[in-house]
Amino acid sequence: LAKTTQPISMDSYEGQEVNITCSHNNIATNDYITWYQQFPSQGPRFIIQGYKTKVTNEVASLFIPADRKSSTLSLPRVSLSDTAVYYCLVGDPRNTPLVFGKGTRLSVIA
Amino acid sequence: GAVVSQHPSRVICKSGTSVKIECRSLDFQATTMFWYRQFPKQSLMLMATSNEGSKATYEQGVEKDKFLINHASLTLSTLTVTSAHPEDSSFYICSAMGQGRSNQPQHFGDGTRLSIL
Repeated sequence: LAKTTQPISMDSYEGQEVNITCSHNNIATNDYITWYQQFPSQGPRFIIQGYKTKVTNEVASLFIPADRKSSTLSLPRVSLSDTAVYYCLVGDPRNTPLVFGKGTRLSVIA
Repeated sequence: GAVVSQHPSRVICKSGTSVKIECRSLDFQATTMFWYRQFPKQSLMLMATSNEGSKATYEQGVEKDKFLINHASLTLSTLTVTSAHPEDSSFYICSAMGQGRSNQPQHFGDGTRLSIL
């Protein structure tokens, strides 16, 4: 399973765009990149998933360069409620399970 | 969207008690469910993979006789912590994958906070 590396923590002011980059140098051909958000005492919540290029949904964008060795989660105009731990996971959905790294603790301040 | 329900959300019990945690997929049939454990300020650690109708596969270091997993139907998997002790206190989380959903993300339950006194 591809190992991921992401910053331990990040701080941001409300209203700013936040970009969290994840490195996954050993990503395999069949691997997808998936990001989850976790609040204290809750299960992880799916944010976005992609294979290559760019994916956008109502809450975030995911940028994946051509070599797929990294990915960047972009959260537009964060609010205080976006304070959470964000996990980047890489794996083949057909050959689960997901292996969680340490995640990035995002703190949004007013 | 897909919903995974976990019950109970919190358990407080005495040492030596066995505790059963349920994980249900509410709007899809889950052929595979996963059980994770999370200690404070740490990431999720996979404990076992549960496939409907077959024995669970446990990760290295997880005692199968301690953590009994049953996946008797396509919508329900249970984790029983047998003879729980204070060191078993943790946040237990399940996730589920469904039939025909192999390229879809896993969905997680909201976790069970287990506190052994």
